[in-house]
Amino acid sequence: DAKTTQPPSMDCAEGRAANLPCNHSTISGNEYVYWYRQIHSQGPQYIIHGLKNNETNEMASLIITEDRKSSTLILPHATLRDTAVYYCIVRVVRLTGGGNKLTFGTGTQLKVEL
Amino acid sequence: DSGVTQTPKHLITATGQRVTLRCSPRSGDLSVYWYQQSLDQGLQFLIQYYNGEERAKGNILERFSAQQFPDLHSELNLSSLELGDSALYFCASSNQAGGYEQYFGPGTRLTVT
Repeated sequence: DAKTTQPPSMDCAEGRAANLPCNHSTISGNEYVYWYRQIHSQGPQYIIHGLKNNETNEMASLIITEDRKSSTLILPHATLRDTAVYYCIVRVVRLTGGGNKLTFGTGTQLKVEL
Repeated sequence: DSGVTQTPKHLITATGQRVTLRCSPRSGDLSVYWYQQSLDQGLQFLIQYYNGEERAKGNILERFSAQQFPDLHSELNLSSLELGDSALYFCASSNQAGGYEQYFGPGTRLTVT
């Protein structure tokens, strides 16, 4: 699975958009970009994933550059409850067989403040 | 609530002992994954089971073993415990051997004294 690079920490004001960047310059054509977050020692929570196109769900939006070498997770209206470590993971999805581990890096500690 | 349950929430035991951590996947999910999160190593994949069979192995020590039962719940057995085994242990499940999303349980915090 391709390696990712994220800033170690970011701050965001409550109510503003939080834009979390991720570099994955060695991504392969069949690798997806996944985002998870972990709120203070709770189990990691799936947020969103994408292959090429931008994606949006009820939690966030994922913007992937045309060359797929980087992406941005957008939390449109951050709240205090969004304070967490955000992990960007790049992986191949195998629908059969094994080898579908998630490889977590150190992530970005997002702190949302009043 | 992810639908994945783990017991116990906390476990305190002594070095040299053996413990069993239990995980019940989300209803309908056939795959179970175990992860370890320690302060110095971060979140690391240990092992995956799919419908009762081992499918992938990560950095799992020989002192650790796991299994998945016919009702799809899984147990992680840790033996000859050392201080360094103190960590959070998470279980995750997905609906296929691969699957797009893994849903994590709340974890078991193991403290070895």
